[in-house]
Amino acid sequence: DTAVSQTPKYLVTQMGNDKSIKCEQNLGHDTMYWYKQDSKKFLKIMFSYNNKELIINETVPNRFSPKSPDKAHLNLHINSLELGDSAVYFCASSQDRWGESQGATDTQYFGPGTRLTVL
Amino acid sequence: GNSVTQMEGPVTLSEEAFLTINCTYTATGYPSLFWYVQYPGEGLQLLLKATKADDKGSNKGFEATYRKETTSFHLEKGSVQVSDSAVYFCALSDQPGGTSYGKLTFGQGTILTVHP
Repeated sequence: DTAVSQTPKYLVTQMGNDKSIKCEQNLGHDTMYWYKQDSKKFLKIMFSYNNKELIINETVPNRFSPKSPDKAHLNLHINSLELGDSAVYFCASSQDRWGESQGATDTQYFGPGTRLTVL
Repeated sequence: GNSVTQMEGPVTLSEEAFLTINCTYTATGYPSLFWYVQYPGEGLQLLLKATKADDKGSNKGFEATYRKETTSFHLEKGSVQVSDSAVYFCALSDQPGGTSYGKLTFGQGTILTVHP
């Protein structure tokens, strides 16, 4: 009964390939996120979706495209992989409902991460 | 924009020692503040949080108090264990209605190693 799950856990691929990482949450949350953790452990948000709608899109190359088929899933597709894309990618979700001004719960729950290695 | 600064690590302590990891932030308004912990090979887990000034978050013997006047949220534990060895992240989330609401801004992380 994992709350936020990601697949695969490890992904090793060649430069130039296209790959996807999947994320699912069974918490009934409305908002999901993708974060990137670099080799120095620094974490930075990439995207956020609320009820399948893109809310946050940080300065991320357009080779990265999130897709949310429903509010329980947020997948990350990466085209033309580059060496610099090697990192750990974390999915997260939160209960908060975008636009509400009172009583929102902003705690984010993270998945186990996907370690992407581009050779 | 929002930012979080943590004390540089790594921090190495003996078991039962007192732990402090400093965290200061820059944000407008009243952000929510968090400490997340990442054990080796795992994802991030929420350790504790505080949503308004003078709130104290606590969990598993760890504590942190939201200090608006010093824009700080220092993490403390009175007696660390070997099992506390992990990376600790301070983070903030803008208040509802803020331009960065829903976006966690993290500090750089502090590696803690506790020896028996």
